[in-house]
Amino acid sequence: EVQLVESGGGLVQPGGSLRLSCAASGFIFRSYWMSWVRQAPGKGLEWVANIKPDGSEMYYVDSVKGRFTISRDNAKNSLYLQMNSLRAEDTAVYYCTSDGQGTDIYYFDSWGQGTLVTVTS
Amino acid sequence: QSVLTQPPSASGTPGQRVTISCSGRSSNIGRTSVNWYQQLPGMAPKLLIYIDNQRPSGVPDRFSGSKSGTSASLAISGLQSEDEADYYCAAWDYSLSGMIFGGGTRLTVL
Repeated sequence: EVQLVESGGGLVQPGGSLRLSCAASGFIFRSYWMSWVRQAPGKGLEWVANIKPDGSEMYYVDSVKGRFTISRDNAKNSLYLQMNSLRAEDTAVYYCTSDGQGTDIYYFDSWGQGTLVTVTS
Repeated sequence: QSVLTQPPSASGTPGQRVTISCSGRSSNIGRTSVNWYQQLPGMAPKLLIYIDNQRPSGVPDRFSGSKSGTSASLAISGLQSEDEADYYCAAWDYSLSGMIFGGGTRLTVL
């Protein structure tokens, strides 16, 4: 059974930093694209970033480029999101996903339960 | 405003068939596959339909997806009270080089 467990969320001041982690199990982690998707309170879903299985390619939504960095450690079956220069609008539940990918195909296959990040002074 | 357009709400009575639309562009739905996600109240989203019309194991065949040109639809037949949830469409956008979601449709079972 696929399991994705996020951690690292919490309360942080504007301009601060936070590092989210996602522990993966139940599948061959090193073979899958992975993503972070967020959901602001009472709002819809927003894809944040994704990373290729070998970590050689990453993509980001424009609003986090230059501030967030997605990375992975295939030896530890773990995904990370380093968030710097945090803003109030980054307040959201952050979900880790394992992804299906192919030619003209991309989808978020399995989801974690999420970790809440609150940016406030 | 989302790049993919969904109606904010939909409703139906038990047993009815409802459809939820998702309108996009040539850079996303017109070029790549569409996926649908179901988010029950207070829960994480779950993959419902992938590659336009494929159901993951465990998803009832009451749920079906279709796509034509730059639009897609999710149909739910034999509506049940447990189908009350938010539904999101999503697709890769080649102009933005990223995944995009519709704004979500809240389905109410009357």
